[in-house]
Amino acid sequence: DVKVTQSSRYLVKRTGEKVFLECVQDMDHENMFWYRQDPGLGLRLIYFSYDVKMKEKGDIPEGYSVSREKKERFSLILESASTNQTSMYLCASSPRLFSYNSPLHFGNGTRLTVT
Amino acid sequence: KQEVTQIPAALSVPEGENLVLNCSFTDSAIYNLQWFRQDPGKGLTSLLLIQSSQREQTSGRLNASLDKSSGRSTLYIAASQPGDSATYLCAVRGTASKLTFGTGTRLQVTL
Repeated sequence: DVKVTQSSRYLVKRTGEKVFLECVQDMDHENMFWYRQDPGLGLRLIYFSYDVKMKEKGDIPEGYSVSREKKERFSLILESASTNQTSMYLCASSPRLFSYNSPLHFGNGTRLTVT
Repeated sequence: KQEVTQIPAALSVPEGENLVLNCSFTDSAIYNLQWFRQDPGKGLTSLLLIQSSQREQTSGRLNASLDKSSGRSTLYIAASQPGDSATYLCAVRGTASKLTFGTGTRLQVTL
């Protein structure tokens, strides 16, 4: 079974803090993704990565950056947290082979509150 | 721009009923459609993936169908159980390899 692990279930941070959200997958997947989920807006793609040290912007990259130094780990960074970044953050991974027809595997999410 | 709609937003049924959840999308040029389940405060669990060349997929009591030309998919749940209570989301993968999610149907199965 694929396991995608997000390091924190709940985080509370202050406005202006630098925040790191960590995600690790154990299935040697090439593709990794960061989404945020908000009521009424559904899931929106922030950033994704197809390989180590590669990153691509999603639909809402503003205010975020990412790091992929190792294949199994994909980090989301909030450079200066703001209250409008309060949300549920979901990490996902999928294999590159037949990637268009491979299901996404999600972690359990990190609920971030910025005060 | 692809738009994915799920109706109804919420549904309550008594245990044992068969039910259908709906998903519609505006751009029929898709690679596949995936159904997910999400429990409160948790991540998404993949249930079924239908490729664009397929008409349906089955897993246990779940059956998902796809009509690409009309931009519709349904998730059929047979003999519903309280443990099926969750939010169900569909997502379509378009030609730009991007996944677009619906906002989900919140299902409650009552005793």
